[in-house]
Amino acid sequence: GAGVSQSPRYKVAKRGQDVALRCDPISGHVSLFWYQQALGQGPEFLTYFQNEAQLDKSGLPSDRFFAERPEGSVSTLKIQRTQQEDSAVYLCASSSRLRGTTNEKLFFGSGTQLSVL
Amino acid sequence: RKEVEQDPGPFNVPEGATVAFNCTYSNSASQSFFWYRQDCRKEPKLLMSVYSSGNEDGRFTAQLNRASQYISLLIRDSKLSDSATYLCVVISGGYNKLIFGAGTRLAVHP
Repeated sequence: GAGVSQSPRYKVAKRGQDVALRCDPISGHVSLFWYQQALGQGPEFLTYFQNEAQLDKSGLPSDRFFAERPEGSVSTLKIQRTQQEDSAVYLCASSSRLRGTTNEKLFFGSGTQLSVL
Repeated sequence: RKEVEQDPGPFNVPEGATVAFNCTYSNSASQSFFWYRQDCRKEPKLLMSVYSSGNEDGRFTAQLNRASQYISLLIRDSKLSDSATYLCVVISGGYNKLIFGAGTRLAVHP
């Protein structure tokens, strides 16, 4: 498809388990963002990639969270030793190869809903 | 204090009503402003950009007041299909990093 694809759509994990969430951005998109959205809240910024470079990871809540985009396309968000407070929807978004403008449109994926029991 | 603050809602209005949402932002260097709409269990989608001169798209009017760091969204003649959460969004920084408010939920009833 032409949109941002995320998998799995739903993930249930036992507390302490490691999880990996995948994002396939739109082909050719330079910028990729991860957001975390808790129930009843707006999306909170986690991290940003420009191609394979992780330029901002200031939003990652702890060192249990790790993101990578090794070839500048697909990205994986990994959460180690999951905790109940990690339960949220994780959204991925990408924007076009047109750099340097502040009004590039962001395209969001449908998100991965993570539930930690 | 969060960088973007919104009325928490929910707003429950009848069809045909006019409803206004407000938002304030704390970073005076913020560069761009938007309203996004998010339906239940769906991803956020861009509703409209917000400019100081004000802009209108059909029943929707958005306004930015840079001096007060205040953003508004007005919806006229509400429809049932307008029921959703409306997210106030600003861009701060050198790349397209969106900062979201917590959202205001709107429920339009018959």
